[in-house]
Amino acid sequence: SQQGEEDPQALSIQEGENATMNCSYKTSINNLQWYRQNSGRGLVHLILIRSNEREKHSGRLRVTLDTSKKSSSLLITASRAADTASYFCATLMDSNYQLIWGAGTKLIIKP
Amino acid sequence: EAGVVQSPRYKIIEKKQPVAFWCNPISGHNTLYWYRQNLGQGPELLIRYENEEAVDDSQLPKDRFSAERLKGVDSTLKIQPAELGDSAVYLCASSLLENTGELFFGEGSRLTVL
Repeated sequence: SQQGEEDPQALSIQEGENATMNCSYKTSINNLQWYRQNSGRGLVHLILIRSNEREKHSGRLRVTLDTSKKSSSLLITASRAADTASYFCATLMDSNYQLIWGAGTKLIIKP
Repeated sequence: EAGVVQSPRYKIIEKKQPVAFWCNPISGHNTLYWYRQNLGQGPELLIRYENEEAVDDSQLPKDRFSAERLKGVDSTLKIQPAELGDSAVYLCASSLLENTGELFFGEGSRLTVL
């Protein structure tokens, strides 16, 4: 079953603009993770935010977590063509430590 | 440090034929996962191992799928017989047992069943 739901399903922006993707989930979590997947490749871990954290930064990435709304957002600033990929959120459930994945947001950066 | 290695990268077979995928996790990673990913969707867990023990195989279609992780290192996922609906990418990932964070993924094995 998929707990995380990302939106939008697809996003196309100009290089240099900021990209924001959202993830919603249903049950109590231990942490929430974001992964990137380039076409035809495996997934690469980007950033993890714990349930007691509200915001985290890593380079051009900024992740926020609102546990009251059961949602998270991933912001990529100053986008580059190389950021073109699918982005997935995954939630680690508090109850059984299962990692549940969303369907992903497909991001296209236009040069 | 070598990453998670999977083979083959691509496999095309006729329906009803068997197929096997192999995964070598990162050295020292106790936990190994097999996922299936359909086009445009997120990964779906098939089985999770902690060392040699399959601790979560609830989503593994046991009538045709089997997996093993001998000696708690390499793992093999087998499908026999394959069906048209099995066409997907099969991803292997590994992590440290104590880690509730980052999974390291291989490049995946893309299966096409004709």
